[in-house]
Amino acid sequence: RKEVEQDPGPFNVPEGATVAFNCTYSNSASQSFFWYRQDCRKEPKLLMSVYSSGNEDGRFTAQLNRASQYISLLIRDSKLSDSATYLCVVSLRPTTSGTYKYIFGTGTRLKVLA
Amino acid sequence: GAVVSQHPSRVICKSGTSVKIECRSLDFQATTMFWYRQFPKKSLMLMATSNEGSKATYEQGVEKDKFLINHASLTLSTLTVTSAHPEDSSFYICSAGDRDSYEQYFGPGTRLTVT
Repeated sequence: RKEVEQDPGPFNVPEGATVAFNCTYSNSASQSFFWYRQDCRKEPKLLMSVYSSGNEDGRFTAQLNRASQYISLLIRDSKLSDSATYLCVVSLRPTTSGTYKYIFGTGTRLKVLA
Repeated sequence: GAVVSQHPSRVICKSGTSVKIECRSLDFQATTMFWYRQFPKKSLMLMATSNEGSKATYEQGVEKDKFLINHASLTLSTLTVTSAHPEDSSFYICSAGDRDSYEQYFGPGTRLTVT
């Protein structure tokens, strides 16, 4: 089982639609959670951190369910510029003396159509 | 967020040669740097973690003698791909962070093509 799993998509949605992405992680010791956005042939860029209480940034809402080891991202009123790959990222510290590591999901491709 | 640069952004080399990629944190001191590799339509895979002044910790399946990592200062880490082969062609991305912090700042990546 992969440590971080995502539906690879692609999700093709019309402009203005609401789209939701899900992600599950296997390591219950995971400590921090993020959504990154990656455009073609570019580095990933932080979209938002994810907190247990849920958090919102404009059209983007992220949720974390630690009990179910599940993370979600909701995008409202999709724009053409939202077309990208969305990466679910989990941070964990392998040992008490180790360094935090990021584990990336495979990413979900989104294409917003005019 | 902090700024991380990589050089070169793109490199083409012949099979059997070695290639060095530099990763610099421009506005903060990075005690830890990470090297990732990403194949087309795949996710980022962590190759190794390097802490300034100590040996890098390699992930399972990554050959330390092939991918030499040096983190000699708090602002510079280098990855050398030795005796490159076409299957080493990939997008290599570094990130910089603090050992005790979960935050990482990513460089723009280096696209390596081995012919």
